[in-house]
Amino acid sequence: DIQMTQSPSTLSASVGDRVTITCRASQSFISWLAWYQQKPGEAPKLLIYDASSLESGVPSRFSGSGSGTEFTLTISSLQPDDFATYYCQQYNGYSKLTFGGGTKVEIK
Amino acid sequence: EVQLVQSGAEVKKPGESLKISCKASGYSFTSYWIGWVRQMPGKGLEWMGIIYPGDSDTRYSPSFQGQVTISADKSISTAYLQWGSLKASDTAMYYCARSGDSTSCYFDYWGQGTLVTVSS
Repeated sequence: DIQMTQSPSTLSASVGDRVTITCRASQSFISWLAWYQQKPGEAPKLLIYDASSLESGVPSRFSGSGSGTEFTLTISSLQPDDFATYYCQQYNGYSKLTFGGGTKVEIK
Repeated sequence: EVQLVQSGAEVKKPGESLKISCKASGYSFTSYWIGWVRQMPGKGLEWMGIIYPGDSDTRYSPSFQGQVTISADKSISTAYLQWGSLKASDTAMYYCARSGDSTSCYFDYWGQGTLVTVSS
C-alpha cells in the first residue's frame, strides 16, 4: 500500500504568511491526491482534488501542486480562518486509499 | 443540496454489536461511492472502506478487513457501518463521506460524524 508522509506535523505561522505543506508518497502515482482542512469538532472539508483542482467555494489562496511522489498544499496569505489541521489523501485505486498524518497550522 | 446525515452518538460495552448509519439526500445515491473514515481521539484520519451502492461493490482497508462490515440499502439511500463485537479501541469518531464522482475516491461531502464510545 502507498504510505503518505506529511511534513511538517506542526507549523507555526502568522496571518499573512505564505504556508506550504508537503505530502510525500512511498511510491509514485498519477495525481490522485486530495487535500482537506479540519477544524476542531468539525468534519473534514475538501479543499483540493486531483492534486491541483480547487473545490468549488474554496478561496483561491489555497492551491495544490505536484505529481509522482511529492505534492504540496500552499496557502498564499494565511487568514485567521485557516488555522486548522490539514490532511492529504491519495486515491490511487478504490482499494488503496490512505491519508497523511496531518499538519496542524498554529498561530505564531 | 447534498447532505449526509449520520446516526447519533453511541455508548456501548465491549463485546456488544453496533450498526451506525449514514442517510444521503440531494443526489443519486447509487452513482457515487460512500466511504467510512475513523478518527480516534486526538488522532488523524484513517480510511476504513468504501461501498458503491449501485452494485454493492465494497472494498476494505487491510487494517479494517474482517473487523467491520460496510453495507448499503439503496431503497432508503442509507449506508451502514457495523461491528459484531466492539472493543475499547473502537472508541472514535466515525465519518461517512461521498466520493467526488463515480471513478475518483476523494470525498467532497461529509457527514457530521458519529461518536462511538466503548467502555465497560
